[in-house]
Amino acid sequence: GAVVSQHPSRVICKSGTSVKIECRSLDFQATTMFWYRQFPKQSLMLMATSNEGSKATYEQGVEKDKFLINHASLTLSTLTVTSAHPEDSSFYICSARDLGLAGGGVGIADTQYFGPGTRLTVL
Amino acid sequence: AQKVTQAQTEISVVEKEDVTLDCVYETRDTTYYLFWYKQPPSGELVFLIRRNSFDEQNEISGRYSWNFQKSTSSFNFTITASQVVDSAVYFCALSGVGNQFYFGTGTSLTVIP
Repeated sequence: GAVVSQHPSRVICKSGTSVKIECRSLDFQATTMFWYRQFPKQSLMLMATSNEGSKATYEQGVEKDKFLINHASLTLSTLTVTSAHPEDSSFYICSARDLGLAGGGVGIADTQYFGPGTRLTVL
Repeated sequence: AQKVTQAQTEISVVEKEDVTLDCVYETRDTTYYLFWYKQPPSGELVFLIRRNSFDEQNEISGRYSWNFQKSTSSFNFTITASQVVDSAVYFCALSGVGNQFYFGTGTSLTVIP
């Protein structure tokens, strides 16, 4: 239970193009999803919190116009990197918070379950 | 302020040795959760355990065990009889109820065959 998928797993694009990454909770509904960025050999850096049906909450220093987040349903959040540049190359990871069995979830309450990540390379 | 410290950046052990990964946290919340995640070379973070702040019982799951001590604000993770497949980066994390996660910087474990 509590499986999160992420697509694509790897993407290479040219500078200036936009890239969309999808994050899906496959067997539970997630009102809250999170987007992280991870540089090599570093910890996860929270970029934004995505809430179903409302605007995402961005962390300080994260450009909301560059990293567009949409959480249109209880099982899908998307991150679009607009006008990507080489410095945007990174490993992007999403997670979904399960509400636990009492809340209609399938895992442990208030636990984030992570997708497999998307490695973005901007040439 | 919420903070998680994993002082061990890298650890190497020989297969079958026991290894303990340290995690120290700071929080002003009276109710909070502590987590451990494993990140193998593939990159996906795998959930290992969640511990509530009001439950200080140690937990054992196969070769894995966790020691939670509120008195020292520590939540250490021990792998017994380590195996090569245990090689990964391990992250300790802290969250308040319904709040965001705070991750430590991770400990890279290498198990040498």
